[in-house]
Amino acid sequence: GAVVSQHPSWVICKSGTSVKIECRSLDFQATTMFWYRQFPKQSLMLMATSNEGSKATYEQGVEKDKFLINHASLTLSTLTVTSAHPEDSSFYICSALPDRGGYTFGSGTRLTVV
Amino acid sequence: AQSVSQHNHHVILSEAASLELGCNYSYGGTVNLFWYVQYPGQHLQLLLKYFSGDPLVKGIKGFEAEFIKSKFSFNLRKPSVQWSDTAEYFCAVNVGNTDKLIFGTGTRLQVFP
Repeated sequence: GAVVSQHPSWVICKSGTSVKIECRSLDFQATTMFWYRQFPKQSLMLMATSNEGSKATYEQGVEKDKFLINHASLTLSTLTVTSAHPEDSSFYICSALPDRGGYTFGSGTRLTVV
Repeated sequence: AQSVSQHNHHVILSEAASLELGCNYSYGGTVNLFWYVQYPGQHLQLLLKYFSGDPLVKGIKGFEAEFIKSKFSFNLRKPSVQWSDTAEYFCAVNVGNTDKLIFGTGTRLQVFP
């Protein structure tokens, strides 16, 4: 089946630095990918829709300058958390829709900002 | 804005008990409905989905869900739970004219032997 690979699975960074998270579709092309954030014991909150070759669409309340999304190819979308702060610590998950059969999710990235 | 509600935040059951998790959504148009499960330390897995047709949908691991359009509901059921069903369960809705998937707040299920 369709697989989405997300890397890294976990990262620890210092406050003020930037962190890049990659999401790759391994056996299909994804013109659209989705980025979610999940707080401990809470649901997934949609942050933005990543569109290949164009600007991402951000959900209300999500800072586009803080969470930079780039979707330069049909198999890769990246989320960069800029000038990270401890409140950005969270679990970030990407997703794609390989066909109308359903969504496929990456394994997630746990970001800890110290 | 579209929203998805899961009223059961934490459910505790004994093995062999029956399970029903509620899911309601707020959108009057065409929707696609999903239930996902997240086992501890693992990523989301699709349990079942509804796009159209028979409103009673059967999924993996003995789960089923019923779409009741008049009630804007898509409740998840399992007649007899197992200890291995302990996990977080998420209802999700995709509004027909977009590809965005909106998740409910999740229900934590604990099954004791």
